[in-house]
Amino acid sequence: DIQLTQSPSSLSASVGDRVTITCRASQTISSYLNWYQQQPGKAPKLLIYTASNLETGVPLRFTGSGSGTEFTLTISSLQPEDSASYYCQQSYTTPRCTFGQGTKLEIK
Amino acid sequence: EVQLVESGGGSVQPGRSLRLSCAASGFTFDDYAMHWVRQAPGKGLEWVSGISRNSDRIGYADSVEGRFTISRDNAKNSLYLQMNSLRTEDTAFYYCAKALGFTFGVDLDYWGQGTLVTVSS
Repeated sequence: DIQLTQSPSSLSASVGDRVTITCRASQTISSYLNWYQQQPGKAPKLLIYTASNLETGVPLRFTGSGSGTEFTLTISSLQPEDSASYYCQQSYTTPRCTFGQGTKLEIK
Repeated sequence: EVQLVESGGGSVQPGRSLRLSCAASGFTFDDYAMHWVRQAPGKGLEWVSGISRNSDRIGYADSVEGRFTISRDNAKNSLYLQMNSLRTEDTAFYYCAKALGFTFGVDLDYWGQGTLVTVSS
């Protein structure tokens, strides 16, 4: 199975900060990498699909990049509503897939 | 508006069975693959199972293969998960999710609110 490792596992940042979360795959997955946001008590929400495509309705401050084994999710200017957990997911082995362990983002 | 509403969760003893349902609305159900994803309380996400639009392709996670069965009824716009031989480690919120595109993909653009399954003696 393909393993995904996210870093950091948690972070704290201030409103307006630029934040980057990294996801590393145990083997190449081309661009088959998605990012989800999960706010407390809610279902996950798709932010980015196929590494860099912004899902409809997602604010432009979210960007995804990468290919192969290393990927990043960047929030250009952190907002209070971005406080959430973020998960990467590989869809290279579709329909089977794996998720990263998650990154918990807290607003200072 | 796309809506996915899960039901059927509850408390059950190890070794027993439970059937989850997911009622879909707001989109053409038989155009999309559907999936179940679970999340143990306070833990991360785990893909459980997926089914193609016409049920000709199905996949399961190793952890549930042989115990869980996914199915769908396109006439009723409904997705199901039959869970047999439940174990304590199956305790989780179970989410129904819709695939983004028309292929048997696992890019999940809409999710239900989840239903909690608790397996305990």
